[in-house]
Amino acid sequence: LAKTTQPISMDSYEGQEVNITCSHNNIATNDYITWYQQFPSQGPRFIIQGYKTKVTNEVASLFIPADRKSSTLSLPRVSLSDTAVYYCLVGDHDRGSTLGRLYFGRGTQLTVWP
Amino acid sequence: DTGVSQDPRHKITKRGQNVTFRCDPISEHNRLYWYRQTLGQGPEFLTYFQNEAQLEKSRLLSDRFSAERPKGSFSTLEIQRTEQGDSAMYLCASSLVGGRNTEAFFGQGTRLTVV
Repeated sequence: LAKTTQPISMDSYEGQEVNITCSHNNIATNDYITWYQQFPSQGPRFIIQGYKTKVTNEVASLFIPADRKSSTLSLPRVSLSDTAVYYCLVGDHDRGSTLGRLYFGRGTQLTVWP
Repeated sequence: DTGVSQDPRHKITKRGQNVTFRCDPISEHNRLYWYRQTLGQGPEFLTYFQNEAQLEKSRLLSDRFSAERPKGSFSTLEIQRTEQGDSAMYLCASSLVGGRNTEAFFGQGTRLTVV
């Protein structure tokens, strides 16, 4: 089970770009990297998933170096509503959604200030 | 059906009582998960179903916990003889295995307080 390491907390101001880095030194060949966002009293919400290089969607970008031992979630121009906990997970994509085998950890509490 | 639905949203019970939670997944999703989350921690895996089959259970799921998914649709999680340590948010998630996207969709959870 490939565990991850993330900063416990980060602070930013509105309009800035935020980069949250996650270490996953034991990532396996078949593992994908997935990020979730969670607001208080709500379930986590999928943000982005990738295997290598760069993935971008309407919400965020995910940068994965060639060795795949880390990944960086990039949130462009954050707003107050981006204040949440962000989780980095790794798991085997070939088995479909293997969320049961994934370790959430404590995530990164991002606080965006006005 | 716009998402995963959990009922009730909040439950307060006395220690020793039994409680049952219900989860209605997204209708076409074949996989259903139960997680538990305590304050300041990430969600912890409890169990998951592929259709009606319960394929994996965490060691966190003691004998007092039982989950079912009859007919591969909704699921129930029952806790017998509740203890104060069972107080937590219980999250349900569903996903479609075999589809292009493997993301899981979470419900808003059931917050259990054992007094």
